[in-house]
Amino acid sequence: DVKVTQSSRYLVKRTGEKVFLECVQDMDHENMFWYRQDPGLGLRLIYFSYDVKMKEKGDIPEGYSVSREKKERFSLILESASTNQTSMYLCASSSVQDYEQYFGPGTRLTVT
Amino acid sequence: EDQVTQSPEALRLQEGESSSLNCSYTVSGLRGLFWYRQDPGKGPEFLFTLYSAGEEKEKERLKATLTKKESFLHITAPKPEDSATYLCAVIKAAGNKLTFGGGTRVLVKP
Repeated sequence: DVKVTQSSRYLVKRTGEKVFLECVQDMDHENMFWYRQDPGLGLRLIYFSYDVKMKEKGDIPEGYSVSREKKERFSLILESASTNQTSMYLCASSSVQDYEQYFGPGTRLTVT
Repeated sequence: EDQVTQSPEALRLQEGESSSLNCSYTVSGLRGLFWYRQDPGKGPEFLFTLYSAGEEKEKERLKATLTKKESFLHITAPKPEDSATYLCAVIKAAGNKLTFGGGTRVLVKP
């Protein structure tokens, strides 16, 4: 079974803090993704990576950056957290054979 | 621009009352269409991939079908544990990103 894990289920941070969200997958998938999910707005892609050290912007990259130093690990960084970044953050991974994305359990981030 | 529209937005069913969810899509060159189930506060769980018109996939009480313009997720004799949000997504032939629909919230009452 594919397993995608995320470093925290719940996180509370203050405005202006630097926030790191980590994601690890154990299926040797080439692609990894970061989404945020908000009521009424659905799933929105922030960034994705198709290889180590490679990244592409998604639909809403502003205020975020990412890092992929190892194939199994993909980090999302909020350089200076703001209240409008309060959301559910979901990581996913997929292979280039079938593109089926498998999601982690999510991190509920609250910025106060 | 790729678009995925799911209907209805919400569906209330009595236990045992079969129904269908719709996912209509506009994409230039479909590589695949995916169905996910999402429970509140959790990540989406992969259900099915459909690749070509006429294809069908089944899992327990769920059956997914695909035409050239839409997909249906049929729920046969649903149980309360089938209550969830069901998401549809597409990927085009030249891409590696999914485009998601807004989802259908299903509530099955005993």
